Amino acid sequence: GIQVEQSPPDLILQEGANSTLRCNFSDSVNNLQWFHQNPWGQLINLFYIPSGTKQNGRLSATTVATERYSLLYISSSQTTDSGVYFCAVAGSGNAGKSTFGDGTTLTVKP
Amino acid sequence: DAGVIQSPRHEVTEMGQEVTLRCKPISGHDYLFWYRQTMMRGLELLIYFNNNVPIDDSGMPEDRFSAKMPNASFSTLKIQPSEPRDSAVYFCASTRILNTGELFFGEGSRLTVL
Repeated sequence: GIQVEQSPPDLILQEGANSTLRCNFSDSVNNLQWFHQNPWGQLINLFYIPSGTKQNGRLSATTVATERYSLLYISSSQTTDSGVYFCAVAGSGNAGKSTFGDGTTLTVKP
Repeated sequence: DAGVIQSPRHEVTEMGQEVTLRCKPISGHDYLFWYRQTMMRGLELLIYFNNNVPIDDSGMPEDRFSAKMPNASFSTLKIQPSEPRDSAVYFCASTRILNTGELFFGEGSRLTVL
């Protein structure tokens, strides 16, 4: 099945700093999503981005499907950005089911 | 629109008891998934349904686990008998299209088996 690797596994930032999270995947995909799991455990949809670039406020994401990676950018980070960021991919390699990476744990300090 | 609704949010039970987790998918979503999240294994897919029919249950850990979807708006995940190693957060998710659809999650059911 599709392998998903996220980096870095952990990231500690000072409030106001910028960061880039990476998701590599091992096969072609039809679907890629970024989720934020907040400290209460909720999985929040950030981006549905199988290809191209999207922006939503301080967050943006880019997926380069041909090179099998996606990047999530967080600018001017806030303490509320803390939590775990997951990348999930689906494609023919996993029969269309979403496979999750292990996540990047982000801690933003005030 | 209401999102995916799960119940209970928290469940504490003793080893050997039966546990039933419930899920209502988003209306119009033909696919429903049950995921389990643990520290050791991360988010893993247990089973998914299409139009109320179980399609892939290869992630169900053992026979103590069973899942049903009697209609388009309701699914259950049952553990009988429960064991301490079943302690985890169980998420339900739904999507309109399998391969290219956006996946939406419920808030999860946190299960603790003592």
